[in-house]
Amino acid sequence: LAKTTQPISMDSYEGQEVNITCSHNNIATNDYITWYQQFPSQGPRFIIQGYKTKVTNEVASLFIPADRKSSTLSLPRVSLSDTAVYYCLVGDTQIIFGKGTRLHILP
Amino acid sequence: GAGVSQTPSNKVTEKGKYVELRCDPISGHTALYWYRQSLGQGPEFLIYFQGTGAADDSGLPNDRFFAVRPEGSVSTLKIQRTERGDSAVYLCASSLTGGRGNTGELFFGEGSRLTVL
Repeated sequence: LAKTTQPISMDSYEGQEVNITCSHNNIATNDYITWYQQFPSQGPRFIIQGYKTKVTNEVASLFIPADRKSSTLSLPRVSLSDTAVYYCLVGDTQIIFGKGTRLHILP
Repeated sequence: GAGVSQTPSNKVTEKGKYVELRCDPISGHTALYWYRQSLGQGPEFLIYFQGTGAADDSGLPNDRFFAVRPEGSVSTLKIQRTERGDSAVYLCASSLTGGRGNTGELFFGEGSRLTVL
């Protein structure tokens, strides 16, 4: 099972682009990379999923290098409402969450 | 309903009592997951159902915890002889397939907050 490592916390300012990197050195061939966002007193919410290269949706972009041993979630022009915990998950049927990255957006 | 529904939203019980937590997944979702989350921690995987059967129950901490999904839809997490350490938010999620490789999106409920006094 691929273990993930993320920064414990990050601070940024409104309007900035935020990049959160996740390391997953022993990712398996069939594993996908998925990111979730969680606000206090709510369940996690899916943000984006990818396998390789770059994936973009209306909320974020996910960059995955060729060796797939890391991935970077990019949030463009963050606002105060992006303050949350962000989780990087790697795996198949058993979805394992780590401690996540606490992102704090400052005005 | 449109989303995953969990009841009760809050449950306060006494040490040693029996507790049931219910999860109503999104209609048509074959995969259902239970997690528990303590303050400041990420969700801890407990069990995963594919249809009616438990595909993976390796996260259940001990035999006081049991979950069922008899008709492949609603699931109940059962905790016997509750202990203070069982206090946490219990989260349920469902997904359309949950198959290997592309896991697909998990849709989470709001959780059931369990407090054991």
